[in-house]
Amino acid sequence: LAKTTQPISMDSYEGQEVNITCSHNNIATNDYITWYQQFPSQGPRFIIQGYKTKVTNEVASLFIPADRKSSTLSLPRVSLSDTAVYYCLVGGNSGNTPLVFGKGTRLSVIA
Amino acid sequence: GAVVSQHPSWVICKSGTSVKIECRSLDFQATTMFWYRQFPKQSLMLMATSNEGSKATYEQGVEKDKFLINHASLTLSTLTVTSAHPEDSSFYICSARGLSGYTFGSGTRLTVV
Repeated sequence: LAKTTQPISMDSYEGQEVNITCSHNNIATNDYITWYQQFPSQGPRFIIQGYKTKVTNEVASLFIPADRKSSTLSLPRVSLSDTAVYYCLVGGNSGNTPLVFGKGTRLSVIA
Repeated sequence: GAVVSQHPSWVICKSGTSVKIECRSLDFQATTMFWYRQFPKQSLMLMATSNEGSKATYEQGVEKDKFLINHASLTLSTLTVTSAHPEDSSFYICSARGLSGYTFGSGTRLTVV
C-alpha cells in the first residue's frame, strides 16, 4: 500500500478555509484516495474519496492533480467542532485489503 | 449507509482476566473485518484481519495467542484479549468493508488495572 505523508499538525481560526495536503508518491493506478476524520475516543469517519481531479460533497472538497502524487483536503469555513485528526489513505476500491493509517494531521480550530 | 457496531464502548478489567470485544456489521455482510489498536496521541495500528470461517491473519508483532479473533458469522467478529495486562490498555477499533467503502466501529476503550 502506498505510504502517505501529511503535516503533523495545523492550527486555524474559526471561519477560515483549511487545506491539508497529503503526499503519496507511490500511488498505484488502481488506488483511490480517501480521507477520514477522527475525534478522540471515536472510530474514524469517512469524509471524502476521489480518484482524480476534484470531488466535492457537503462537508469537504478533494483536489487531486493530474499526476495523483498528492491530494489536498479542503474544509470550508471550519468551526470548533472540526478539531480532529484527519487521515489520508490510498488503496484499492475493491477487495478486502485493510486500510493502513499514517500519522494523520491534528487540526486545531481556535475561536 | 453501512454501519459497524462495536461493544462494549469501554471496559475496565483486572490484570490476568480476559475481555471480549464484539464487532457487528448491522446492515451488510462482511466476510472480512479488521482490528486496530490505538494508543494515546498515536495513529491506528492494524492488528489483524478477521476472515469468516477461517483463521485470522495477524500483523507482525501481534501475539495471536493473546489476541484471539473469532469470525463465526458474516456479521460478527470478536476479539478476546486473554490474560490482560496493563500494557494492553488501549483503544481497540474494528472495521469492515461495505458496498460504499470501509466503515469503522466506535471503538472500545480497554483499561486493565
